[in-house]
Amino acid sequence: NAGVTQTPKFQVLKTGQSMTLQCAQDMNHEYMSWYRQDPGMGLRLIHYSVGAGITDQGEVPNGYNVSRSTTEDFPLRLLSAAPSQTSVYFCASSYTAVWASEKLFFGSGTQLSVL
Amino acid sequence: AQTVTQSQPEMSVQEAETVTLSCTYDTSENNYYLFWYKQPPSRQMILVIRQEAYKQQNATENRFSVNFQKAAKSFSLKISDSQLGDTAMYFCALQNSGGSNYKLTFGKGTLLTVNP
Repeated sequence: NAGVTQTPKFQVLKTGQSMTLQCAQDMNHEYMSWYRQDPGMGLRLIHYSVGAGITDQGEVPNGYNVSRSTTEDFPLRLLSAAPSQTSVYFCASSYTAVWASEKLFFGSGTQLSVL
Repeated sequence: AQTVTQSQPEMSVQEAETVTLSCTYDTSENNYYLFWYKQPPSRQMILVIRQEAYKQQNATENRFSVNFQKAAKSFSLKISDSQLGDTAMYFCALQNSGGSNYKLTFGKGTLLTVNP
């Protein structure tokens, strides 16, 4: 019963490096999303997906790319990391994107530092 | 655009006492959902309680209850008989129920410390 699995848990990058944060869920959830959490800012939506092959931008999409080739996986790509992307990143999913009352299941987060 | 405001960055309470966390929000929608999430030091996000805007009755989950005032757009969380394990960051969140807006908007959080 894995739920939402995020890897890695911690990562340090140098400015300009690229990397992919992985997110996988085994609950057959339609909806998947990425949030970033910064001190004093709460959680802000980066990108989301309402199904395989469908993605859309959230509140703070600049500097990030996503794709959803399968129902299970929703990777977040940083093409050229910047210090402003230092943050804790959460992946979250829910069974359906239709009902707003659906409970969101969160991963355990990835602590990313960009030097 | 929808907004969520938590005006108390930090709060503290003695063990076994009651504490209330404030949250106000703004949305142009009539149907929406409100949530309180808890984030302990482990960083895991945990759903505490959920309220549907069209329900007048306040939601309750064991020691956690809300005071939902729709007209005032207020959604406070009351924690009764506070326990040390309640120490966490608490986030208020809003999600509209209609159209294509699946986005959950979070407040900036309130750090609650329960003292022994």
